[in-house]
Amino acid sequence: AQKITQTQPGMFVQEKEAVTLDCTYDTSDPSYGLFWYKQPSSGEMIFLIYQGSYDQQNATEGRYSLNFQKARKSANLVISASQLGDSAMYFCAMRGVDSSYKLIFGSGTRLLVRP
Amino acid sequence: SAVISQKPSRDICQRGTSLTIQCQVDSQVTMMFWYRQQPGQSLTLIATANQGSEATYESGFVIDKFPISRPNLTFSTLTVSNMSPEDSSIYLCSVEDRSRPGTEAFFGQGTRLTVV
Repeated sequence: AQKITQTQPGMFVQEKEAVTLDCTYDTSDPSYGLFWYKQPSSGEMIFLIYQGSYDQQNATEGRYSLNFQKARKSANLVISASQLGDSAMYFCAMRGVDSSYKLIFGSGTRLLVRP
Repeated sequence: SAVISQKPSRDICQRGTSLTIQCQVDSQVTMMFWYRQQPGQSLTLIATANQGSEATYESGFVIDKFPISRPNLTFSTLTVSNMSPEDSSIYLCSVEDRSRPGTEAFFGQGTRLTVV
């Protein structure tokens, strides 16, 4: 069975500083993908970044980077130079080869950026 | 990336009634997914909708309560039937990008449903 764990219910960060949101996962699939989404108060789910299990390099998308440590089964999201608009819920998700492309989500982390 | 239009964005419904949520995509997609997010909770998959076949439901969700249609490769509907206050949630549709299978999953804006 696949499982995603986010152990930080809430996080604070000062504007312009970097913050790391933790995500660990468990799967028996040899090939899988890891995703991060941002959910503002409006409720929409905004795709941020993707990391494939066989990717040699950590994924980066602008201010977002994914610290992928396969042996530790962790896929932490790093947001650099935090902005007030980054305040939102952040969800880590996983998709395995045998899961018919469905996503399994973690419980989420609420990030609040302080001015 | 796929652009997904989901309607309605929000609704307040009386218990015992039904609501149909629409999901329109600007390109053809193989798989469409319907998720539920209960208040303060994470997302849970309701079902996978493939064109030309019956939807595949996850454990705890049944077709009588959440009938799904998928008439073509760009459109799907989810109906929440015989609603109760426990159905108050955000419902989201998601699609698989055929140009980059397995690497991206896009969501509609969500439907915020309140049942009174």
